[in-house]
Amino acid sequence: DTGVSQDPRHKITKRGQNVTFRCDPISEHNRLYWYRQTLGQGPEFLTYFQNEAQLEKSRLLSDRFSAERPKGSFSTLEIQRTEQGDSAMYLCASSLGTGVEKGNQPQHFGDGTRLSIL
Amino acid sequence: QQQVKQSPQSLIVQKGGISIINCAYENTAFDYFPWYQQFPGKGPALLIAIRPDVSEKKEGRFTISFNKSAKQFSLHIMDSQPGDSATYFCAASSRQAGTALIFGKGTTLSVSS
Repeated sequence: DTGVSQDPRHKITKRGQNVTFRCDPISEHNRLYWYRQTLGQGPEFLTYFQNEAQLEKSRLLSDRFSAERPKGSFSTLEIQRTEQGDSAMYLCASSLGTGVEKGNQPQHFGDGTRLSIL
Repeated sequence: QQQVKQSPQSLIVQKGGISIINCAYENTAFDYFPWYQQFPGKGPALLIAIRPDVSEKKEGRFTISFNKSAKQFSLHIMDSQPGDSATYFCAASSRQAGTALIFGKGTTLSVSS
């Protein structure tokens, strides 16, 4: 399978704990995105990388959230001091970046990490 | 502020019928409009996408109709099948505002056999 891979698929943790999720994009894709999806809602954008550079961050991404893509390949999303409101599905997507003049390219999603805060 | 409004929230269609889902957007800078299909426990899967230089795009049983002046676009699923039962999301993005997709709230489609 050469799609976007996310690990773990499910994470249950107590309030106040730190959690880290991993995303492996499609191998030739240089753009990587993180979204959050709550029940009954569409995904909401969190942050985006082109190669290893973090180019956009949503206002939804509080100081407790940090994302990295150290070598421009896989990415990690860490949530510190988790709160009840952090319970959601965290989705990763990847796409090719061909330059702004050619417009946005299709984003392909992984199956997400479902986070439950006790 | 909801930039992409999707309707209906839920839809029930007979097998073989046509499913129609509508979306309206506010930001005239949007220039890419994809539709995603999502099954329970899975991530959204790209179905079909359109750019505003065309008014219609068809791929198999799926068609996007796009009305730039009305700032509306819709997904038509022809010959709907029980396997099409899923949640569908429209989305939009703008080169000017970065590449983040702005999603609608979704439509849950049930195709009865």
